Amino acid sequence: AQSVTQPDIHITVSEGASLELRCNYSYGATPYLFWYVQSPGQGLQLLLKYFSGDTLVQGIKGFEAEFKRSQSSFNLRKPSVHWSDAAEYFCAVGGNTGNQFYFGTGTSLTVIP
Amino acid sequence: NAGVTQTPKFQVLKTGQSMTLQCAQDMNHNSMYWYRQDPGMGLRLIYYSASEGTTDKGEVPNGYNVSRLNKREFSLRLESAAPSQTSVYFCASSEAPRLPLNTQYFGPGTRLTVL
Repeated sequence: AQSVTQPDIHITVSEGASLELRCNYSYGATPYLFWYVQSPGQGLQLLLKYFSGDTLVQGIKGFEAEFKRSQSSFNLRKPSVHWSDAAEYFCAVGGNTGNQFYFGTGTSLTVIP
Repeated sequence: NAGVTQTPKFQVLKTGQSMTLQCAQDMNHNSMYWYRQDPGMGLRLIYYSASEGTTDKGEVPNGYNVSRLNKREFSLRLESAAPSQTSVYFCASSEAPRLPLNTQYFGPGTRLTVL
């Protein structure tokens, strides 16, 4: 069965420190992978997506993610976190029909000064 | 472009009351979706509409109905609200449900409380 796992429920980092949010997926075919960010009280905003090609993808707000097929992972990274990055982050995998878009349970990021 | 809009932003209902959540998109997308978001459970698909004139159940359809009014609008109806339907509801749209056009774009959400 298709699924997305985000092992870390909550992460706290200091402003300026690097960040890595983990995402593991289970999907029968070639996965199409996404990262979304949800600021408090807001909807979900697309950060980046991976369809094919270069396994390191760049997104908005200085984020990047690396697809590793051998590890079934699509981890999100940022070299230097800003206070405004505090939010909930969701990994998702999309398939070939309307009901094949699966979200992880999210990772809440706190940034401390 | 406004993207995906939802009304209302907040709603409080009593058990047994009915209401309709409205969603509209101006991106000329073919597919639209309704999700609910509950703490610790991520987003779960309630219903989706792959194209105008079609609707299909998602993971958690019980207690809900939907209408794809036209290409722009997709509404979600709670006929008899229950406290278990207290949640944040998100509408989303995509060019198509199929790869690679299935990137979903989300509205700001409706926070619903059922007392």
